[in-house]
Amino acid sequence: AQTVTQSQPEMSVQEAETVTLSCTYDTSESDYYLFWYKQPPSRQMILVIRQEAYKQQNATENRFSVNFQKAAKSFSLKISDSQLGDAAMYFCASRNSGNTPLVFGKGTRLSVIA
Amino acid sequence: GAVVSQHPSRVICKSGTSVKIECRSLDFQATTMFWYRQFPKQSLMLMATSNEGSKATYEQGVEKDKFLINHASLTLSTLTVTSAHPEDSSFYICSAPRGVPPEAFFGQGTRLTVV
Repeated sequence: AQTVTQSQPEMSVQEAETVTLSCTYDTSESDYYLFWYKQPPSRQMILVIRQEAYKQQNATENRFSVNFQKAAKSFSLKISDSQLGDAAMYFCASRNSGNTPLVFGKGTRLSVIA
Repeated sequence: GAVVSQHPSRVICKSGTSVKIECRSLDFQATTMFWYRQFPKQSLMLMATSNEGSKATYEQGVEKDKFLINHASLTLSTLTVTSAHPEDSSFYICSAPRGVPPEAFFGQGTRLTVV
């Protein structure tokens, strides 16, 4: 069974600074995908970034990047130049190949301090 | 981009009544949809997998007779909470995968309050 662990219930960052959210996962599959989702107060799930496990290169989306350490089963999210709008709940998730459901971590609540 | 519409966004019902939540894929066909439940300040937990043309697959501990799922067409899945009780109050959210490899598209969620 897949598991996703987020060990930081809450994090805070100063505006314009950088913050890293941690995530570890476990799976017996060789083909899987990893994701970071943002859930603002509206509770709409927003995809932040995705990583295919077979790709060695870390995914990057503008101010968001990941540090994917496959051997260590670690998948952290780095947010650079933090903005007030980044404040939200962040969920790390994994999924096996095919039309399979997401398995979510418990989430990290990120606060951005002006 | 692909859009998944979930309705209603909020519903308040009396204990003992049933509530139906709809999840529609607006611009693509979804043979599979997923239903999640999220308690306050907690994560999303998979309840069931909705399959068009066949029975839904429920996760362990989810009562299939209480949470009825019907995947009526390639664009619509419904979740009916039967004989609702206050402990069923929660945030329910659906998702539908699209593309290769599939990307999950989420509905807006439904906040159910049973009084």
